[in-house]
Amino acid sequence: QSALTQEASVSGTVGQKVTLSCTGNSNNIGTYAVGWYQQISHGAPKTVMFGNSLPSGIPDRFSGSRSGTTASLTISGLQPEDEADYYCSTWDYGLSLVVFGGGTKLTVL
Amino acid sequence: EVQVVESGGGLVQPGGSLRLSCAASGFTFSSYAMAWVRQAPGKGLEWVSVIGGSIGSTYYADSMRGRFTISRDNSKNTVYLLMNSLRADDTAVYYCVKDGPYSGYGDFDYWGQGTLVTVSS
Repeated sequence: QSALTQEASVSGTVGQKVTLSCTGNSNNIGTYAVGWYQQISHGAPKTVMFGNSLPSGIPDRFSGSRSGTTASLTISGLQPEDEADYYCSTWDYGLSLVVFGGGTKLTVL
Repeated sequence: EVQVVESGGGLVQPGGSLRLSCAASGFTFSSYAMAWVRQAPGKGLEWVSVIGGSIGSTYYADSMRGRFTISRDNSKNTVYLLMNSLRADDTAVYYCVKDGPYSGYGDFDYWGQGTLVTVSS
């Protein structure tokens, strides 16, 4: 069982806006920056958001936010190439560990 | 351009040892924490270990503590992972990752391509 909770699967149609969530607690998401990673077909993961920063080369249809102990990754204007597994991670100071979510499989219909 | 490149993976027998290396470039290496993350076949991402930038504080996942050792050589822009007492369930692709600029660890901003470690007799 992962320390951070993500939806197992989310789907959307091309052009739709979808939001993926990552829920933790005050020791982790409530305090520290969250990273979001895209993994296509079990290739190397790629960062699509760290903190609230968009890495260079990542389209601005990706955005991140946090409310309390839940972080969210929003994709506005979903594209077929966005179909992938998405993971979140951050630091947990109570456990002194980096914690990951179990991943969300995003399907573009 | 930031690059992180892993090496050192391969086939090792149960109980054996292996040292992974990760060469980094394109940023001020000593200013950033570096970490290892692994992925077993068909599974999700699993954090292994992290080492701080200048002071070099180290942290490990529970199942790796005591068996794995992370270290870094800031003069060579390289981070290492020494893995001892390897088990079949350590079989995975091991990724070297650069930590982001924010407080705490775990907001990784760059990933390597990974190196495969197979533990089997």
